[in-house]
Amino acid sequence: GAGVSQSPRYKVAKRGQDVALRCDPISGHVSLFWYQQALGQGPEFLTYFQNEAQLDKSGLPSDRFFAERPEGSVSTLKIQRTQQEDSAVYLCASSLGSGISNQPQHFGDGTRLSIL
Amino acid sequence: GESVGLHLPTLSVQEGDNSIINCAYSNSASDYFIWYKQESGKGPQFIIDIRSNMDKRQGQRVTVLLNKTVKHLSLQIAATQPGDSAVYFCAENIVKGGGNKLTFGTGTQLKVEL
Repeated sequence: GAGVSQSPRYKVAKRGQDVALRCDPISGHVSLFWYQQALGQGPEFLTYFQNEAQLDKSGLPSDRFFAERPEGSVSTLKIQRTQQEDSAVYLCASSLGSGISNQPQHFGDGTRLSIL
Repeated sequence: GESVGLHLPTLSVQEGDNSIINCAYSNSASDYFIWYKQESGKGPQFIIDIRSNMDKRQGQRVTVLLNKTVKHLSLQIAATQPGDSAVYFCAENIVKGGGNKLTFGTGTQLKVEL
């Protein structure tokens, strides 16, 4: 299909390891977002890209979290020295426009990260 | 699969009845609102959106009502079907840095009984 694709779907890592989560947005979508969803809660904003520019990273919980989108399409969320509290579902979303166009964000099915 | 609905408010309805899911949003400056449906093990799925210059918008079997005075949103689903069973989230748009950062509500688990 032509939706947002995330990989891997599941990731298990030991505490202290680094992980990388990938997002392929809908083709042509300018805006890309990362969210974190804890069990039983709504998604919480992490960071936002407009093309390759990271315009908002106010939601990243610590400097262990890093996101990039070097060519303005695929994005990677990296978590260094993982801790148990990082266990969550990481969702990626994309939208066609940017700014005040107020277009809906379309989500992938997420990566479920479990830190042992 | 693992449920996203643990510890969430639950609404149970009979198949064929209408459902009303409510949401209180937090920021009076928000100007765009979206309802999402999330099934277990999947990402949120867009249902319907509404801008702050409107108070009602209709889609296929769904209607969203916006009351800015009391910062309240509702989602009405007509003739609820078993496939409507899921967790429903409202989200508000807080524009910052030129983007559309969404803030999600708590979520409501909708259960459709046959």
